[in-house]
Amino acid sequence: EIVMTQSPVTLSVSPGERATLSCRASQTISNTLAWYQQKPGQPPRLLFSGASARAAGIPARFSGSGSGTEFTLTISSLQSEDFAVYYCQHYNNWPLAFGGGTKVEIK
Amino acid sequence: QLQLQESGPGLVKPSETLSLTCTVSGGSFSGSTSCWAWIRQAPGKGLEWIGSIYYSGDTYYSPSLQSRVTMSVDTSKNQFSLKLTSVTASDTAVYFCATTAPGVQEHAFDIWGQGTMVTVSS
Repeated sequence: EIVMTQSPVTLSVSPGERATLSCRASQTISNTLAWYQQKPGQPPRLLFSGASARAAGIPARFSGSGSGTEFTLTISSLQSEDFAVYYCQHYNNWPLAFGGGTKVEIK
Repeated sequence: QLQLQESGPGLVKPSETLSLTCTVSGGSFSGSTSCWAWIRQAPGKGLEWIGSIYYSGDTYYSPSLQSRVTMSVDTSKNQFSLKLTSVTASDTAVYFCATTAPGVQEHAFDIWGQGTMVTVSS
């Protein structure tokens, strides 16, 4: 089974700054990767599928990239509403798996 | 707009069976959105995929839970269900049901229920 590893665990960023989050798969998964944002008390919200295809309603300041085993989520200029936990998930094959998450907090 | 709603007991005793249902509304249960998933999140922890079930009844489970999990579909009620046997305190979590809308890559979950908290305690 494929293991997803996210780094860093916590990212402290000032509003307006750029945030770069990483996700690594233990085996190649092509581009079968999703990114989610989760705020306290809410279900996750899909940001990207196919590693880089932005979901409906997701602002352009969010971008996703990568393929194979290395993936990146970039937030170009952090807004107050972007402070949350972010998860990656592969869906290359069964079993599906999520990464452990990266918490983006206010510096 | 497809909507999902989890339901079931909020408290389950250790060694008993956790049973949850996800009701699908606002769209086609038997359409191209044919795969439905259960995902859980222990307090303060990350997301854990439990398993997925197709409209056809085909199921795929997490290897770590496979021996205790059963998922089923009730097409007459637009529902799918989760049963987890022999629960322990480590099964305490918020349980989400989720699926993918047409046009989005299957198994990238863009439709989620609000989640239901299940506590395992005597």
